[in-house]
Amino acid sequence: GESVGLHLPTLSVQEGDNSIINCAYSNSASDYFIWYKQESGKGPQFIIDIRSNMDKRQGQRVTVLLNKTVKHLSLQIAATQPGDSAVYFCAENIYTGGFKTIFGAGTRLFVKA
Amino acid sequence: GAVVSQHPSRVICKSGTSVKIECRSLDFQATTMFWYRQFPKKSLMLMATSNEGSKATYEQGVEKDKFLINHASLTLSTLTVTSAHPEDSSFYICSAPRPGSGEKLFFGSGTQLSVL
Repeated sequence: GESVGLHLPTLSVQEGDNSIINCAYSNSASDYFIWYKQESGKGPQFIIDIRSNMDKRQGQRVTVLLNKTVKHLSLQIAATQPGDSAVYFCAENIYTGGFKTIFGAGTRLFVKA
Repeated sequence: GAVVSQHPSRVICKSGTSVKIECRSLDFQATTMFWYRQFPKKSLMLMATSNEGSKATYEQGVEKDKFLINHASLTLSTLTVTSAHPEDSSFYICSAPRPGSGEKLFFGSGTQLSVL
């Protein structure tokens, strides 16, 4: 079954504010985590990733934080824009020979203008 | 631009018919592709891993005779939903890792299947 999940199913933020989307995972041996963004009717799009030997990684307006002690992952979006409105999934790669990507439940982000 | 192309984007079929969905990597060779299924307002569920030149690896609970996967070339994987029934109606999405891009996946635009 899935080993990643999310605390909040929906999040509504004001344009310009920062957004924080949380995710919990259960497999302490997990090594690689990814955040994907999915707009309505489309396939997911890669946002940012992090390996377990890091606790923070920054991209353009996005930051991923990893807390291995409590098995928690978060995505921070700075200065949230209307174009950020989408569903965000945390995902985890597991390895069985090759790898496969398992998705968490998803959080829908609404950005209010 | 898109690096993974999926067709068709939408298909409506009658119950009992078969539907084929194509997934192409546009500018890279994909020895592995992944097929996911997504219900409305739900997450992506991995159905199977498509391996070029060999049999697909199906996830537990996914019927391999129902969802036929063929990966005959390094740029094309197909998913055929055989003898489709209304409960097969769903959003199907393919993806592939791109050489040189690590383990992140590039996704097709998805296929919305509606079985009447």
